[in-house]
Amino acid sequence: DIQMTQSPSSLSASVGDRVTITCRASQSISTYLNWYQQKSGKAPKLLIYAASSLQSGVPSRFSGSGSGTDFTLTISSLQPEDFATYYCQQSDSAPGTFGQGTQVEIK
Amino acid sequence: QVQLVQSGAEVKKPGASVKVSCEASGYTFINYYMHWVRQAPGQGPEWMGKINPSGGGTSYAQKFQDRVTMTRDTSTSIVYMELSSLRSEDTAVYYCAREVAGLFFDFWGQGTLVTVSS
Repeated sequence: DIQMTQSPSSLSASVGDRVTITCRASQSISTYLNWYQQKSGKAPKLLIYAASSLQSGVPSRFSGSGSGTDFTLTISSLQPEDFATYYCQQSDSAPGTFGQGTQVEIK
Repeated sequence: QVQLVQSGAEVKKPGASVKVSCEASGYTFINYYMHWVRQAPGQGPEWMGKINPSGGGTSYAQKFQDRVTMTRDTSTSIVYMELSSLRSEDTAVYYCAREVAGLFFDFWGQGTLVTVSS
């Protein structure tokens, strides 16, 4: 199975900050990489698919980049509603493994 | 609008089985694969398997291969996930999720908490 490793596992940031989360795959996955946001007690919500495509309805402050093994999710200006846990997921090969998550907390 | 509505929480004893349902609406049921993903407390999501609602074909994660069965009823647009021989480590929230083009999950059910406890 392809292993997905996120860093950091948690971070503290203030409203308005630029936040970057990284995800590394254990082997090349081209751009078969998705990002999800999960708030407490809720299902994950798709933010970015195919490494850099913004899902419909998701604010433009979210962006994704990368290919091969290294990927980045960036929030350009953190908003109060963005405090949540973020997961990357590869869809290159089954099983579609997820990262362990990055919890974004209020500083 | 697309909706995936799951059945309610379950409490089971070790060794028992659980069957969770996911009712789809707002789109053509047979046109999208449905996946099951679980999330144990404090952990990341874990993919369990998928079903093709059109023909009923399934693919399961090796970890669950001998314990999970996914089925569907096209007359009611419902998919089911049954997990047998439950143990405490199976305590988790179970989600159904709609797959788009083999790439990502665009809609998720609200989740079903399954608690395994003696």
